[in-house]
Amino acid sequence: GAVVSQHPSRVICKSGTSVKIECRSLDFQATTMFWYRQFPKQSLMLMATSNEGSKATYEQGVEKDKFLINHASLTLSTLTVTSAHPEDSSFYICSASASVQEETQYFGPGTRLLVL
Amino acid sequence: GDSVTQMEGPVTLSEEAFLTINCTYTATGYPSLFWYVQYPGEGLQLLLKATKADDKGSNKGFEATYRKETTSFHLEKGSVQVSDSAVYFCALSSTGGFKTIFGAGTRLFVKA
Repeated sequence: GAVVSQHPSRVICKSGTSVKIECRSLDFQATTMFWYRQFPKQSLMLMATSNEGSKATYEQGVEKDKFLINHASLTLSTLTVTSAHPEDSSFYICSASASVQEETQYFGPGTRLLVL
Repeated sequence: GDSVTQMEGPVTLSEEAFLTINCTYTATGYPSLFWYVQYPGEGLQLLLKATKADDKGSNKGFEATYRKETTSFHLEKGSVQVSDSAVYFCALSSTGGFKTIFGAGTRLFVKA
């Protein structure tokens, strides 16, 4: 159980376009979902925390107008990278937890974004 | 604030060697501690966890013991395999919250 999927697994886009990444919890309801960014050979950087039906909470230094997060249902959260630039190229990983009391996060397989 | 420090890699071992990856933490209260593993090109997978002092988490031959007195959660395996080659992340989740703090990761290479 506790499977999280992401789509797409990799995407290549032109500079200036927007890209949407989906994160789904397949067999549980995710009260909270997290979005991370991982640079090559580095740890995960938390970008934002989203709770179903409310606005996401962004970490310091993360532009909320650049990285739009929507958590419209208990099984789906989306991250939209708006007006993407080459410096946005990265590995984006989502995770989900079933409740506030559930400390274990279940991670998606990640989405590799390349902006040309 | 809370933090996790783990040994720098890469760590290179021969197959069947003993593995230790050190992890220490700083946190208020009583955090839960985790080890996650990331295989090339994939997301993170929970390897094991411990939720209170002296607990031992174990999975797939890996184990780690929650040591409150030394604020440590070192990962060990008695005999590594080539398939264990991956990046290992130590992490903590603070009491009452669900924000997870990750260490920098330690890359392990196991040679046949």
